[in-house]
Amino acid sequence: EIVMTQSPATLSVSPGERATLSCRASQSVSSNLAWYQQKPGQAPRLLIYGASTRATGIPARFSGSGSGTEFTLTISSLQSEDFAVYYCQQYNNWPPAYTFGQGTKLEIK
Amino acid sequence: QITLKESGPTLVKPTQTLTLTCTFSGFSLSTSGVGVGWIRQPPGKALEWLALIYWNDDKRYSPSLKSRLTITKDTSKNQVVLTMTNMDPVDTATYYCAHSTVTRFNYFDYWGQGTLVTVSS
Repeated sequence: EIVMTQSPATLSVSPGERATLSCRASQSVSSNLAWYQQKPGQAPRLLIYGASTRATGIPARFSGSGSGTEFTLTISSLQSEDFAVYYCQQYNNWPPAYTFGQGTKLEIK
Repeated sequence: QITLKESGPTLVKPTQTLTLTCTFSGFSLSTSGVGVGWIRQPPGKALEWLALIYWNDDKRYSPSLKSRLTITKDTSKNQVVLTMTNMDPVDTATYYCAHSTVTRFNYFDYWGQGTLVTVSS
C-alpha cells in the first residue's frame, strides 16, 4: 500500500505571502496526484488533479507541481479564505486504491 | 449541476451493520466513465477512502476494510449504497460520498456534505 506523507503538519503564514506544502509518496504514483482544501465543517474541495491541473473555478494563485514521489502545492499570495487544511491524494492501479495524506493545516501567522 | 447527499443512521451500536445511501443528481451512473466513491473522516483526523463503484458495476475497495464493505448502485434511483459490517467505536466518522470520472487521473471532483455516524452502545 502506498503511504502519502505531508509536510509540515502545520504551516503558519501571513496573508499575502507564499505558502508551499509538500506531499511525498512511498513509491511512484506518476502524476496521479490530487490536492483538496477542507475548511471546518465543510466537505473537501478539489483544487488540483493530475499533479498540476487546476480544477474548475480554482484561482490561479493555486498551483501544483511534481511527479513520481515528490509533489508540491503552492499558494502564491495567501488570501484570508485560503486558511484551511490541505490533503493530497493518490491513486494506485494495483492493488487499486486511493490514499490520502494526513493533511497540512495552513494557519494565519 | 452535480449534487450528492448522504443519508443513514446517525447512531449505530457496536457489531451492527451500517447502511448509508448516497443520492445524487446532475449525472447518471450509467454514463461511461462515471464513478461514485465513499470516503470517511474521524473527528479531527484525516480522510480515508473506503470504496468506489463505476458505471459498469466494477467495484473497488480499501484493502484494509474490504472484508467489511459492500458497495452497490441503483441507477434508476440515482443512488449508491455502502454497507459496513461489524461496526466499532473507531468507525465513528463523517462519511462522504463523492463523484469521480474515469480519466487518465483518478480524483473526486464533487462531494456530498457528509453525514456523521457515531458508534456507541
